[in-house]
Amino acid sequence: GEDVEQSLFLSVREGDSSVINCTYTDSSSTYLYWYKQEPGAGLQLLTYIFSNMDMKQDQRLTVLLNKKDKHLSLRIADTQTGDSAIYFCAERKFAGNTGKLIFGQGTTLQVKP
Amino acid sequence: DTAVSQTPKYLVTQMGNDKSIKCEQNLGHDTMYWYKQDSKKFLKIMFSYNNKELIINETVPNRFSPKSPDKAHLNLHINSLELGDSAVYFCASSQAGVSYNSPLHFGNGTRLTVT
Repeated sequence: GEDVEQSLFLSVREGDSSVINCTYTDSSSTYLYWYKQEPGAGLQLLTYIFSNMDMKQDQRLTVLLNKKDKHLSLRIADTQTGDSAIYFCAERKFAGNTGKLIFGQGTTLQVKP
Repeated sequence: DTAVSQTPKYLVTQMGNDKSIKCEQNLGHDTMYWYKQDSKKFLKIMFSYNNKELIINETVPNRFSPKSPDKAHLNLHINSLELGDSAVYFCASSQAGVSYNSPLHFGNGTRLTVT
């Protein structure tokens, strides 16, 4: 199937690290993405990883990819209240001569002061 | 100078009406999409156009008809609106090509409420 799975909710304290997990289905996916959605807003691209990489770091964000298990994670270091949002992982799949993104259900991150 | 802009932001209408949502992108991309986000925040692709040609048409009722007059615009017309059409509709764009990184850039969404 096309399911991308995420846990629905994560609560952390300000200053802690947050880890959001995702599993995907298609081993031929070339790129995997993390998007952030704040209330009432669209989806903002946070970071991405190419499928031949294991890890990518971008300031406070670390993406880990386990291609064998089709598992993706997003770690946010020193989580701030401004990081409270819904986080979506997405896998890119072939569709004709373009691609489409298949999204997980989204993980709501709650950051407590 | 918003990259992907949708209008209107909010749309409240009655069952049975016909309505349109407009989308424009100024990123020079050649592929545009419509996604639907339901009340549980689940995002599902509806349509994709590449260079004005329909590429993806997921299982969407015939009441939904996308139109792409040019590469920079993708509109969505909905006939005979039903209660279940209430959702947030997102337009997005990207550059075609699955072999390289081409993330989707999203608009801010149109919240459609059917009463």
